[in-house]
Amino acid sequence: EAQVTQNPRYLITVTGKKLTVTCSQNMNHEYMSWYRQDPGLGLRQIYYSMNVEVTDKGDVPEGYKVSRKEKRNFPLILESPSPNQTSLYFCASSLSRPGKNPLNFGPGTRLTVT
Amino acid sequence: GQQLNQSPQSMFIQEGEDVSMNCTSSSIFNTWLWYKQDPGEGPVLLIALYKAGELTSNGRLTAQFGITRKDSFLNISASIPSDVGIYFCAGLKRNTDKLIFGTGTRLQVFP
Repeated sequence: EAQVTQNPRYLITVTGKKLTVTCSQNMNHEYMSWYRQDPGLGLRQIYYSMNVEVTDKGDVPEGYKVSRKEKRNFPLILESPSPNQTSLYFCASSLSRPGKNPLNFGPGTRLTVT
Repeated sequence: GQQLNQSPQSMFIQEGEDVSMNCTSSSIFNTWLWYKQDPGEGPVLLIALYKAGELTSNGRLTAQFGITRKDSFLNISASIPSDVGIYFCAGLKRNTDKLIFGTGTRLQVFP
């Protein structure tokens, strides 16, 4: 089944403890992106990648890192999480440039930082 | 970063009623998209619009690309309980790779 998977789905952690949220897609998509969803703010883009080894900042990249060593994987890294990074995170992918090709979203990862 | 403003923020309607929501921006967009997020899931694409003035339907859903290119509208006719969720608009400017999402409209449908 063609899909975007994220792990973990739920995570509670403490301030400063490094964590990684994995994202993987099995559709050979070039474009991948991370969003965070917060009440009243909608979906805000953190980072995106047009292809392997090509990543760019979105609107809210501070406090996050990403890598794209392989086409299928796009992990989101929080080196030193803080409570303001408590949010619902979505990974998404599309065949190429979004807009012309539908974005496929993962199921989401709910992160709580205490 | 820029965000798109959606109105209304939330709606509580009775089953069978029609729904209208809109998305506005101070900038021009070349592509408008509408997504729906079911509770506990990721958003799913409903409708894509590529030309100013374009009107596109998907079942009971109809969306329009505003002629000013700064807004878009979504209508749902004869709402049913499974229409419940959050509806997001998204816009893409010419020659960019950044899809900008709206703030969302939360829809509740009562039987």
